[in-house]
Amino acid sequence: ETGVTQTPRHLVMGMTNKKSLKCEQHLGHNAMYWYKQSAKKPLELMFVYSLEERVENNSVPSRFSPECPNSSHLFLHLHTLQPEDSALYLCASSQEGYRAPLHFGNGTRLTVT
Amino acid sequence: KQEVTQIPAALSVPEGENLVLNCSFTDSAIYNLQWFRQDPGKGLTSLLLIQSSQREQTSGRLNASLDKSSGRSTLYIAASQPGDSATYLCAVLYNFNKFYFGSGTKLNVKP
Repeated sequence: ETGVTQTPRHLVMGMTNKKSLKCEQHLGHNAMYWYKQSAKKPLELMFVYSLEERVENNSVPSRFSPECPNSSHLFLHLHTLQPEDSALYLCASSQEGYRAPLHFGNGTRLTVT
Repeated sequence: KQEVTQIPAALSVPEGENLVLNCSFTDSAIYNLQWFRQDPGKGLTSLLLIQSSQREQTSGRLNASLDKSSGRSTLYIAASQPGDSATYLCAVLYNFNKFYFGSGTKLNVKP
């Protein structure tokens, strides 16, 4: 399998639930990203991992907790979310550097009830 | 603060037309600019990447240009087809690993 794979594709959770989003890349990249896409807003960068270390945390609430166990896998752990957290969550990867393009997965559509 | 703007927000054209999508950015000190396509409910597919030292890139019916001094990029689509209907986004790399995105242009190509 090639590219960036995200699971699940859709997730509905209550405000008291705990769930995790998973991302796996098969491109040999060493940087991975979480983005949030809400309706009619630009993509918002949430977290960046470079060589498995978090290098960017873009003022994201602590109810979102990322984990990068190796350069191919990235998780986003969710707990006590709010309805306004409902959005499309996109994972991306790239080869670190200033010349490398971003490659995205198909996203997880999250609905918080 | 770096901002990326895409105009128009939506565009509807008949099949076969040539069209231009615009992307502007406030800070010209960019490293590269990337154009993406997004179909409804899906992730982003990379179309073209232009390095800061380049003026344009071409792939099939797509041509992207970059003018750093004026803070602009355009995506030219030749002989548009209904299958080109999607949202097109541009992203600008300013800092290491930090891409800034526009809100996108939603394109509808009518048969």
